[in-house]
This record gives sequence, C-alpha cells and structure tokens, in this order.
Amino acid sequence: KNEVEQSPQNLTAQEGEFITINCSYSVGISALHWLQQHPGGGIVSLFMLSSGKKKHGRLIATINIQEKHSSLHITASHPRDSAVYICAVHQGGSEKLVFGKGTKLTVNP
Amino acid sequence: DSGVTQTPKHLITATGQRVTLRCSPRSGDLSVYWYQQSLDQGLQFLIQYYNGEERAKGNILERFSAQQFPDLHSELNLSSLELGDSALYFCASSPLGGSYNEQFFGPGTRLTVL
Repeated sequence: KNEVEQSPQNLTAQEGEFITINCSYSVGISALHWLQQHPGGGIVSLFMLSSGKKKHGRLIATINIQEKHSSLHITASHPRDSAVYICAVHQGGSEKLVFGKGTKLTVNP
Repeated sequence: DSGVTQTPKHLITATGQRVTLRCSPRSGDLSVYWYQQSLDQGLQFLIQYYNGEERAKGNILERFSAQQFPDLHSELNLSSLELGDSALYFCASSPLGGSYNEQFFGPGTRLTVL
C-alpha cells in the first residue's frame, strides 16, 4: 500500500462543475503539498499546508490531520484546469517528499 | 516561470553513458531538491542539498551523484545509464531547508536512454 493515496485516478468534468480530489496518507506528516502538472510536464506548487484550509482564486485546499486526509477543490472548473494534480507529504520532520500517483483531470468545454 | 532553470531540456543518450543535468535555483534560494519522474514509479525524491551540503537522501541509486556548488547551482550526474533511467528529472528550490517551505520546480530535463 502506498503511503500517499489519491482518488480518483482519473476525473472528467464539464466546464463549470465543482471538482474534488482526495488525498489520504498513512504516516505522520509535518506538511502536505498540492502540485499541478501541466500536459507539457511543468510542475507548479499550488498549496502547502499543515492545518486548516487555504484558498487561492478558485482553488481551495483543506487538511484534516487527525483523519490523515486532504482535499483539493476547484470551483467553476475551466478547460485550462485540465492537468494532473499531485499530493505530496513531508513525513514527520523529514525534508523528503513522498508523492501520490496523481489525479488526471480533464475539463471539457 | 518559477525562476528555477534546468539544462538541457532534452537529452538522448545510449546505455552505459554518463550525463550531467544542471539546475540553477531561484535567486536567494539555498535548498535544491532533485526528483525523478518515470511512467511506472511516478515522482520520487532523489536528494536535497542545502547551502552546499547534502541534507537528505531518498531513492537515489549509487550510479547517481549530485553536488551543489558555491554559487548554489546544482548538478546531478548519472552514470552507467540503463534503459530504466529514462525519465523526467526535476529540480526544485526553496529559500531554506525544512519541511515548511514551498518548493519551486524547474521545467525538467527529459532523459531518454536508448
């Protein structure tokens, strides 16, 4: 079993829909990252959080430390949101990032 | 543009060869991280340097080595290349070490071993 599990693996949505991507982890962590990887391969850091909730534009990330679970929400999805979204965690105080396998999101117009 | 640069963008080489990948961090960032992304393994952490010193090590093969120079740029050396080393190699930088720092990713180097 992977230390970081993401669901769903693939997600297809219509433009305007509300999207939720989930991340569960089995180890104690100090921080969790949400990353976006564009079709061309580039990776962008979306959020880093260790508690609570963060919002940036149409993106919202939440984390529940007790339940070892984080969610990434996209409101009013748009075709330009089509990408792979990757969850990654820092185990304990480690600097090492452990990655989930990613969720491929396709938003159709 | 994250401010992190990587060269070359693409690299095609043969088995048994040795290559060097280069990363320049964002101005002022002291930490550099190297990651490998392959189709079957996904993203994996290889190694981290902080201000010239090795800080953390992940799943890095003995055939691979890295260093960070006084000007803070870093190089990842891959030797005795095998077909399975074909992957995207990313570097990332952050202002400091520690697990509470956002990392800024470079565009990656796509390595193809034939």
